[in-house]
Amino acid sequence: EPEVTQTPSHQVTQMGQEVILRCVPISNHLYFYWYRQILGQKVEFLVSFYNNEISEKSEIFDDQFSVERPDGSNFTLKIRSTKLEDSAMYFCASTGQNTGELFFGEGSRLTVL
Amino acid sequence: QKEVEQNSGPLSVPEGAIASLNCTYSDRGSQSFFWYRQYSGKSPELIMSIYSNGDKEDGRFTAQLNKASQYVSLLIRDSQPSDSATYLCALNDYKLSFGAGTTVTVRA
Repeated sequence: EPEVTQTPSHQVTQMGQEVILRCVPISNHLYFYWYRQILGQKVEFLVSFYNNEISEKSEIFDDQFSVERPDGSNFTLKIRSTKLEDSAMYFCASTGQNTGELFFGEGSRLTVL
Repeated sequence: QKEVEQNSGPLSVPEGAIASLNCTYSDRGSQSFFWYRQYSGKSPELIMSIYSNGDKEDGRFTAQLNKASQYVSLLIRDSQPSDSATYLCALNDYKLSFGAGTTVTVRA
């Protein structure tokens, strides 16, 4: 069964460092998303991406964040200068139609020290 | 941001009982609704989607949608210990907007 894969599963970084989280969406999907979940809190939307551009972004997705689809398979989230409050689980998701169900990866846990 | 509210629980039910979860939403124009299950430390996994008023059954799960009253519910029949998880209600407005989740514990 096709699945969304994410790497790394866990990353520990120092405050102020750049982090790149990687995702390989399901191959025939067209819509890609990043969500985050701070421990004990709700799953929050960060950004959606379609046709090689951002469709929508939340207030959380400020200038420190960027997304890219550098080739036909990878979808990356970059945090330019990490803060303590960026510590969270980051989920990548994809779907074939933007009103349908989203398929989530297993997540990348980011710990900022 | 379209709001989704869930009764936060936690909800504790004995094995074999029915667990009832509720969710309300703010935007009357919302069309697509989803229930996801999330085990601790894991990603959300889809249980059911519902688009039309009424009930939709899938195994031990029944989703109910009432657009006039703007609520969605999920019933879990014959609850099992493996159903112990957080259940997330979500609506799709070209992205998923999640509620805070209801944590369910099924007591053996």
